[in-house]
Amino acid sequence: ETGVTQTPRHLVMGMTNKKSLKCEQHLGHNAMYWYKQSAKKPLELMFVYNFKEQTENNSVPSRFSPECPNSSHLFLHLHTLQPEDSALYLCASSHNRVNQPQHFGDGTRLSIL
Amino acid sequence: EDQVTQSPEALRLQEGESSSLNCSYTVSGLRGLFWYRQDPGKGPEFLFTLYSAGEEKEKERLKATLTKKESFLHITAPKPEDSATYLCAVSSAGGTSYGKLTFGQGTILTVHP
Repeated sequence: ETGVTQTPRHLVMGMTNKKSLKCEQHLGHNAMYWYKQSAKKPLELMFVYNFKEQTENNSVPSRFSPECPNSSHLFLHLHTLQPEDSALYLCASSHNRVNQPQHFGDGTRLSIL
Repeated sequence: EDQVTQSPEALRLQEGESSSLNCSYTVSGLRGLFWYRQDPGKGPEFLFTLYSAGEEKEKERLKATLTKKESFLHITAPKPEDSATYLCAVSSAGGTSYGKLTFGQGTILTVHP
């Protein structure tokens, strides 16, 4: 496989459930990102990892917990989510230089009941 | 704080009718301006990076240009398959984290046959 792969593509969960989103990149990048995309709003950066170390937490609520075990894998652990957390969650990766483009997966469409 | 504004919000064209999308930005030291295309149900697909005023990039019917305040995405003789949401993002020298992109809200382009 090539590019950035996200699983699952769709997820429906109750407010008390615990689930995880997975992202894997096959591009040889060493920086990975989580974004939230809601209708009619710009993409919102959530977390940045560089060589497995978190370098940015954009004031994200603690009910979202990221994990980056290596430069190729990124997880987003979810627990006790709210209805307003329903959105498309996108993962991206890039080389760790500020002027390099980020490459995105196709996202996980999350719906909170 | 970096800001990106895209206009128009939506653009409807007839096949073959050329036009331009605008991306206005305010940053503290531009490191790169990025254009992406996003199809429904998909993640953003990288198109171009522009680094300095006066720079131009081309790909098929698309041409991106950059000034010190804005970027244009020119679409020449568009086809229905060019229909998508076009996103603009900037990376700047300011802020606490390299690799942090600030996105505009996008322009929804529809090309009718």
